[in-house]
Parts: sequence; C-alpha cells; structure tokens
Amino acid sequence: AQTVTQSQPEMSVQEAETVTLSCTYDTSESDYYLFWYKQPPSRQMILVIRQEAYKQQNATENRFSVNFQKAAKSFSLKISDSQLGDAAMYFCAYRSALYNQGGKLIFGQGTELSVKP
Amino acid sequence: DVKVTQSSRYLVKRTGEKVFLECVQDMDHENMFWYRQDPGLGLRLIYFSYDVKMKEKGDIPEGYSVSREKKERFSLILESASTNQTSMYLCASSPLGAKNIQYFGAGTRLSVL
Repeated sequence: AQTVTQSQPEMSVQEAETVTLSCTYDTSESDYYLFWYKQPPSRQMILVIRQEAYKQQNATENRFSVNFQKAAKSFSLKISDSQLGDAAMYFCAYRSALYNQGGKLIFGQGTELSVKP
Repeated sequence: DVKVTQSSRYLVKRTGEKVFLECVQDMDHENMFWYRQDPGLGLRLIYFSYDVKMKEKGDIPEGYSVSREKKERFSLILESASTNQTSMYLCASSPLGAKNIQYFGAGTRLSVL
C-alpha cells in the first residue's frame, strides 16, 4: 500500500522569505501523480500544484515550485516570496495512475505553515 | 468554477442518532469521495463512487455507509453515530482519470455528544 509522510507538523516563515515543506512517499508503482493542497482557515481545500511522475521537469505555479526526486520518493514544495495569505495547512497527496485504484488520494499528515509579518 | 457544496458547516448530534451528510457537485463529475480529517492523521478516505449507484470502500468504511442515487449528489450516512466519529468530513469530486484534480467542499465539522 502507498503511504505519504510529512514530517514537519508546523513550519514558520517570515513574510517575503522562502520556505520549503517536505514530503516523502512510498510506492511500488512507476506511474502516479503527486499533489500539494492548501487548506486555509476557511477550510476550503485548494490545489496548489500537481506533478506527473513520468515528467522529470519540476512543476511550477507562480511562487510555488516543487523538487520532485523520483528515485528518492521525495516531493517538496517551495514557496518563494511568502505572503500572509500563504498561511494555511498544506497537504501532500499521492494518486495512483491505475484506474482500479478509483482515483483516490492518499494524504500526508499535513504541515501547518504560519507567516510572520 | 467547480462548486462542491456540503449541506452543513457544523453539526451536533447525539450518540445513537442516524446522521446524513449531503454533498452536491455542479460539474457533472463521475467520481465523488468522502474523506475524514483528523489532526495528525491528514485526510483518510471513507468511501468513493465512480458512477450512480456504484460505491467502493475506502480505508476506513466501518460505521459509515453512502448513497448515490443521482450523479450530482453523494450522501454519507452514519447509521448510529458514536463519539469517535466526531471529526471534520470533506466531500470531493473529480472527472474520471487519475491526472484530474479533486475539488473539495468546505467541510462539515460533526460533533457527536
């Protein structure tokens, strides 16, 4: 079975600085998708970024980028120029590319990010 | 914009009550999911459905059942609520296909007293 681990329950960053959130996963599959979701205090989960395992290039979305290391099964999220609105719980998630998995997401434990003004 | 609507933000029920959590999506998505969120455990899948009247157990189905009579609506049922079912419940939907992202509702915080 696949597992996702986020070893940092809490992180803190100064406004305008850069922070990296860690995520490791375990799988025997070669084709899958990885996601970072953000859950602000409003509780609405929002997709931050998505990485396809067969693509070597790291995904980037504006100030958000990932460092995807397939061999090491590592998928970290870097937030540049942190803003107060980035304060939230961040979840790393795995999704198998196999249809019989039903498309379910497997989540890590979450990392609570605070941004200091 | 995709909209996933959960009928209640907060719910307080008594032990032994039958509880219905409703979820409606407006994007004609085939897949719908119910997750439970607990501190330190992340989100765990309770049940999912990939078509009307179809359902599959997730990782923690015990004590729960689901119903999907229409494509846009997916209900989570607690047959006899217990205190250990006090939690945040999140509904999500997505089109078929593993690369497609899941869209989430705002969650229902359920307290069972």
